[in-house]
Amino acid sequence: GAVVSQHPSWVICKSGTSVKIECRSLDFQATTMFWYRQFPKQSLMLMATSNEGSKATYEQGVEKDKFLINHASLTLSTLTVTSAHPEDSSFYICSAPADRFEKLFFGSGTQLSVL
Amino acid sequence: QKEVEQDPGPLSVPEGAIVSLNCTYSNSAFQYFMWYRQYSRKGPELLMYTYSSGNKEDGRFTAQVDKSSKYISLFIRDSQPSDSATYLCAMSAGGGNKLTFGTGTQLKVEL
Repeated sequence: GAVVSQHPSWVICKSGTSVKIECRSLDFQATTMFWYRQFPKQSLMLMATSNEGSKATYEQGVEKDKFLINHASLTLSTLTVTSAHPEDSSFYICSAPADRFEKLFFGSGTQLSVL
Repeated sequence: QKEVEQDPGPLSVPEGAIVSLNCTYSNSAFQYFMWYRQYSRKGPELLMYTYSSGNKEDGRFTAQVDKSSKYISLFIRDSQPSDSATYLCAMSAGGGNKLTFGTGTQLKVEL
């Protein structure tokens, strides 16, 4: 299957700082990538759709100024959590479709802990 | 009512058992049905991908889709401790529509 690489795997930061998470498609090009958030024992919640060369599309209730998404190339999307607060602590996962839009391949996830 | 319903478990079975995992859904527009396996603190891994109704087999895994009942299943034969994980069903109407995920079923396969 296709490989999606996500870094870092975990990050601890102080409240008020910004954190950047990278998502790369290693063996395919991805014009679209998705960013999800997952709380313990809960399912994936779609936060935004990242589009190469254009603005991201955010789901209802997701603050676009807080969760900055940049999709600068066909293999890289980044999510920056700005001015992080403890309530932003969560597991963030990116994904990208390879050969079909419905066939998503996921990164390994990033556990963010904001102190 | 949620669009996709999935029993969260946990489901505990002995090694070697046949496991049946299920999801029901309400949106008749769903055409694509997926099963993902997620280990703790890891990203989901695509296990099975099916289109429309019918069965699909891949090794010890069999996916079934019954669109008339709006019911999908994943069967795992000869279950192993390494199968212990959370299994998520996901569905899409296609045409660029986003995936809708179930909440996941936690499976424990015990020695």
